[in-house]
Amino acid sequence: NAGVTQTPKFQVLKTGQSMTLQCAQDMNHEYMSWYRQDPGMGLRLIHYSVGAGITDQGEVPNGYNVSRSTTEDFPLRLLSAAPSQTSVYFCASSYRTGSGNTIYFGEGSWLTVV
Amino acid sequence: AQSVTQLDSHVSVSEGTPVLLRCNYSSSYSPSLFWYVQHPNKGLQLLLKYTSAATLVKGINGFEAEFKKSETSFHLTKPSAHMSDAAEYFCVVSPSGNTPLVFGKGTRLSVIA
Repeated sequence: NAGVTQTPKFQVLKTGQSMTLQCAQDMNHEYMSWYRQDPGMGLRLIHYSVGAGITDQGEVPNGYNVSRSTTEDFPLRLLSAAPSQTSVYFCASSYRTGSGNTIYFGEGSWLTVV
Repeated sequence: AQSVTQLDSHVSVSEGTPVLLRCNYSSSYSPSLFWYVQHPNKGLQLLLKYTSAATLVKGINGFEAEFKKSETSFHLTKPSAHMSDAAEYFCVVSPSGNTPLVFGKGTRLSVIA
């Protein structure tokens, strides 16, 4: 049981480049989500999914794209990187939210856009 | 709508003294509540969770939290702070119905020797 695997851990991008942050879980979780963490702002929800083929926007979706073709994977795509997207990104998953189900987090991805 | 308010952005305590990190929540349904800790440049680690089984919840590293429905609070406490407790702490609400998690903005705990 590997939990939530998030890659890469560190990445430097140039403005305008695109990239994909990978998130995979092996716990058959329905719920998966992406957050960005910025100083003094806590974790803000980018996109989330409640099952394969179902995604929805969170608080700060602009500039990001997601898909959920399988239960296991929930990649986050930066379409054209901007310095404002410099942040730490976390993927989280849970069997379902509520009902006391534990939320599992990836180790984080530190992204710098120059 | 769900919301979480962590009442202090920064708490500073001396080593060996009690810790109190405050969290108030707003939720239309009976939520699950969590406290997570994040050490510098690390991921989030689960400290404890409330799932309606018991109002006083014990977690790892000597932390505990009490769910008070009448006060809509879920404050985190520890009797005696240790230097290794210095970190960022997040209160999280997990609403029912497979809806998104709601995070507090975090409380940074400093422990002074």
